[in-house]
Amino acid sequence: ETGVTQSPTHLIKTRGQQVTLRCSSQSGHNTVSWYQQALGQGPQFIFQYYREEENGRGNFPPRFSGLQFPNYSSELNVNALELDDSALYLCASSERQGSYTFGSGTRLTVV
Amino acid sequence: GIQVEQSPPDLILQEGANSTLRCNFSDSVNNLQWFHQNPWGQLINLFYIPSGTKQNGRLSATTVATERYSLLYISSSQTTDSGVYFCAVYTNAGKSTFGDGTTLTVKP
Repeated sequence: ETGVTQSPTHLIKTRGQQVTLRCSSQSGHNTVSWYQQALGQGPQFIFQYYREEENGRGNFPPRFSGLQFPNYSSELNVNALELDDSALYLCASSERQGSYTFGSGTRLTVV
Repeated sequence: GIQVEQSPPDLILQEGANSTLRCNFSDSVNNLQWFHQNPWGQLINLFYIPSGTKQNGRLSATTVATERYSLLYISSSQTTDSGVYFCAVYTNAGKSTFGDGTTLTVKP
């Protein structure tokens, strides 16, 4: 079975720009969760999508938005990038109630 | 929201020693998972353990959901065990919370 893949692996953006990160779920998984991990901290939950609908959201502003597609892959969009958005962005897929499998992450640098 | 506390924050061991990592959480949860984060940032699943005890080689984990804690045991530690260990809890509302992690250093 294929695992969770994220793209791109690294990205550099300028403050104020917009970015789209992508995640392909593990085969058989219908739920995708996104996390932001700053250096030296644990991952912070951004939101979760289940069958193309947002199913839960953490304490992130509306400029963080997402989509899930019929094949259960997902996108994370961040508008009006700020310097503090620099972080490792992790995607995890799971069945509705099951263990999470994580991708390798996208390292975003905002300059 | 749920608070997750991991202890100790840092742990230094000699190769061959045993260790216990703890995860306390402040409310009832659906599920709990232990991860090891490798130097490249990927989170590797160790245990999916909402309750009870599981073992996988030198690692084992126990979750006592009624008392809101989980323990990860590492026996006969090896240098390759070094890294950051995270506990994550999940609720019915689709939310998840990670602890701040335990950084383990195993010296040869």
